[in-house]
Amino acid sequence: ETGVTQSPTHLIKTRGQQVTLRCSSQSGHNTVSWYQQALGQGPQFIFQYYREEENGRGNFPPRFSGLQFPNYSSELNVNALELDDSALYLCASTRGGERNEQFFGPGTRLTVL
Amino acid sequence: SQQGEEDPQALSIQEGENATMNCSYKTSINNLQWYRQNSGRGLVHLILIRSNEREKHSGRLRVTLDTSKKSSSLLITASRAADTASYFCATNAGGTSYGKLTFGQGTILTVHP
Repeated sequence: ETGVTQSPTHLIKTRGQQVTLRCSSQSGHNTVSWYQQALGQGPQFIFQYYREEENGRGNFPPRFSGLQFPNYSSELNVNALELDDSALYLCASTRGGERNEQFFGPGTRLTVL
Repeated sequence: SQQGEEDPQALSIQEGENATMNCSYKTSINNLQWYRQNSGRGLVHLILIRSNEREKHSGRLRVTLDTSKKSSSLLITASRAADTASYFCATNAGGTSYGKLTFGQGTILTVHP
């Protein structure tokens, strides 16, 4: 167990809906990254938050947005869901932007029908 | 395209045998990390090797890095059935890339008892 928790575990939505996924980082970690992992693929970087500010973004459209709170927990919001958004969403925490190992949560499995 | 490409895509061995997985990448890196994933769950960090290191050991794991060839290998010695999982290499680039990890598509390892 890494100490990173995510909720919910599973979620089913329909096209066009909006979803919010949550992540609590490991104690002492102030940086959270979000990844999307489609079935049979490696995780793809969505964005990273450091001290409540977006600190970098991958090739994802603006309908993917996030927040980080003062306690360093984080949310991933996805608007106007599409079928291709079906995936495992992983968050990972680390200390202050260091290029060190990231500690991953168990993920949220999102299915879009 | 993926920064890291693992080879082989799938590997099937008997308990007690060694398993070797390879990873190639395209751009310069600050470090390269290997992760394990069981059955579509969260990623577990295995080992990190920095760009100025050539070899690193951790228990039954041995990682090598050849920056001139932009490749790395992960060796698991005396494999166990519990090692059955997907293994991913992830690169962390230098410069202003903060903590973004770029993953390959992974190697599925099956260890038969």
